[in-house]
Amino acid sequence: SQQGEEDPQALSIQEGENATMNCSYKTSINNLQWYRQNSGRGLVHLILIRSNEREKHSGRLRVTLDTSKKSSSLLITASRAADTASYFCATRKDSNYQLIWGAGTKLIIKP
Amino acid sequence: DAGITQSPRHKVTETGTPVTLRCHQTENHRYMYWYRQDPGHGLRLIHYSYGVKDTDKGEVSDGYSVSRSKTEDFLLTLESATSSQTSVYFCAISEGQQAFFGQGTRLTVV
Repeated sequence: SQQGEEDPQALSIQEGENATMNCSYKTSINNLQWYRQNSGRGLVHLILIRSNEREKHSGRLRVTLDTSKKSSSLLITASRAADTASYFCATRKDSNYQLIWGAGTKLIIKP
Repeated sequence: DAGITQSPRHKVTETGTPVTLRCHQTENHRYMYWYRQDPGHGLRLIHYSYGVKDTDKGEVSDGYSVSRSKTEDFLLTLESATSSQTSVYFCAISEGQQAFFGQGTRLTVV
């Protein structure tokens, strides 16, 4: 079963606005990762946050992690048309190398 | 893109026929994965491999088998294709924490 659940399932915003997506998970984790998938393509790794970290930045991306609530958020600032894609969170547990995936958030940036 | 090649990229096959999808990597990564992606389900793990001849089942392994005779190749076989196996199949590799994905194979079972 899916560990991660993204919220919302779909998000449509104007170019230049900020986009926030959330991910909830069920069990303890070693790290949480966010990936982007453009239509018809494979997934691309965006950012990883470890369980002992609370916030991480990479360019226009900001990720937060709240292990007490078992949730994470991905913020994309100053969105661009090229950010239109589906975004997935994935969690990794301590004991194995499997990634557990959420169903994704479909983000549409309107020009 | 990381050196991952999936073949074929598209396939239409008939119910009941065997189908083999190939994943080839040039990164010498230890871990390789097969996922299927369906609307509303995200990615679901079919099988994965943690070394040559070392494989294990994922959450949706029924009807699928895998083989890894070389580090660079991971084969996924649908033993007798069914319409419920119509999906997009992704191969992924990893050595550390993050995964790298192939471009996907769109399989249609008619």
